[in-house]
Amino acid sequence: GAVVSQHPSWVICKSGTSVKIECRSLDFQATTMFWYRQFPKQSLMLMATSNEGSKATYEQGVEKDKFLINHASLTLSTLTVTSAHPEDSSFYICSAREGLTAFFGQGTRLTVV
Amino acid sequence: GESVGLHLPTLSVQEGDNSIINCAYSNSASDYFIWYKQESGKGPQFIIDIRSNMDKRQGQRVTVLLNKTVKHLSLQIAATQPGDSAVYFCAENKGNTGGFKTIFGAGTRLFVKA
Repeated sequence: GAVVSQHPSWVICKSGTSVKIECRSLDFQATTMFWYRQFPKQSLMLMATSNEGSKATYEQGVEKDKFLINHASLTLSTLTVTSAHPEDSSFYICSAREGLTAFFGQGTRLTVV
Repeated sequence: GESVGLHLPTLSVQEGDNSIINCAYSNSASDYFIWYKQESGKGPQFIIDIRSNMDKRQGQRVTVLLNKTVKHLSLQIAATQPGDSAVYFCAENKGNTGGFKTIFGAGTRLFVKA
């Protein structure tokens, strides 16, 4: 149980375009999902907490207009990177909370060219 | 600020030996800790967790020890195998107005030598 699926696994986009990443909890309902960003050889940095049916809570320094989060159902949260630039290239990882534990998706490698 | 951190950035062990990965935390109010394993290019995988009302918990080949007095957490891997090579993170649940969030430490890379 507690399987989280993230799509796509990797994406390459042109600078100035927007990219949407999906995070699904496959075998449980998740009121709360989390979005992280990870640079090479670094830890996971929490970007925002996504709550079903309400606005996401962003961590300090994360631009909410840049990283749009939607959590319209108990099994799906999406992260849209708007007007992407090369510095947005990173590994984005979502997680869904079941009880106390966060279970993670496979991650999405975003490359902006 | 409050954080979850690690003593050692890398650890190299011989196959078959036991591995010990350490973690220090600074938030004495934290009551739930998790160890994750992350392989290259993948998301973190849950290994084992422990609540603050416990000082030891065992899983399959893994043991987590919690010392609340010195705010220290460790992950012990018995009979380390090549497949155990990965980055290991300790994580901590921190409360906020919307519930809690899972905050990661710096990570330790484990190399298993055959």
